[in-house]
Amino acid sequence: EADIYQTPRYLVIGTGKKITLECSQTMGHDKMYWYQQDPGMELHLIHYSYGVNSTEKGDLSSESTVSRIRTEHFPLTLESARPSHTSQYLCASRQTWGETQYFGPGTRLLVL
Amino acid sequence: SQKIEQNSEALNIQEGKTATLTCNYTNYSPAYLQWYRQDPGRGPVFLLLIRENEKEKRKERLKVTFDTTLKQSLFHITASQPADSATYLCALVGYGGSQGNLIFGKGTKLSVKP
Repeated sequence: EADIYQTPRYLVIGTGKKITLECSQTMGHDKMYWYQQDPGMELHLIHYSYGVNSTEKGDLSSESTVSRIRTEHFPLTLESARPSHTSQYLCASRQTWGETQYFGPGTRLLVL
Repeated sequence: SQKIEQNSEALNIQEGKTATLTCNYTNYSPAYLQWYRQDPGRGPVFLLLIRENEKEKRKERLKVTFDTTLKQSLFHITASQPADSATYLCALVGYGGSQGNLIFGKGTKLSVKP
């Protein structure tokens, strides 16, 4: 089991609310990622970071933002949640020169 | 852009048989390719990595092949068990805008019946 954690696991929230999805890893990995995955669909990269103070947008456009102030922490924020944001969000990390990605358990978000 | 196709959305097999899953890719020559397992409501878990200069890789009941001419990887589970039921994802490292980041296929959902 990988040492990467996501909270909350499930979140039901109303439209317009601000939310932050937490992701932490204790493996000392420099690279961290956020993916969005809808049921039966592929993972889409929405944000990534190569280290502290480094953040980049992924292939899938997202209204969310991320920050990387500490190596172990990579939170994702939605300023104003909408029903179109309903999805599963997966956080992952890997070593700088590593090839394997380790995933967290995911946060399932439902915006009403 | 790079494209990955796992051409079976679902595969149903009987316990004890060998499951074979296919991953095809286009517009790229990846240095390596990975396979992950994903259970419902969970994050993917890494299974195997195969490099471009390797034809075959094995791990217990799992076997992966990599044919760079056909641009195809095959993933085999021998003596399959109901516990092998899951979605299996193929992934390769992107280039250009996705440089260094993994690109995933949609996955194949495997169901092993007792």
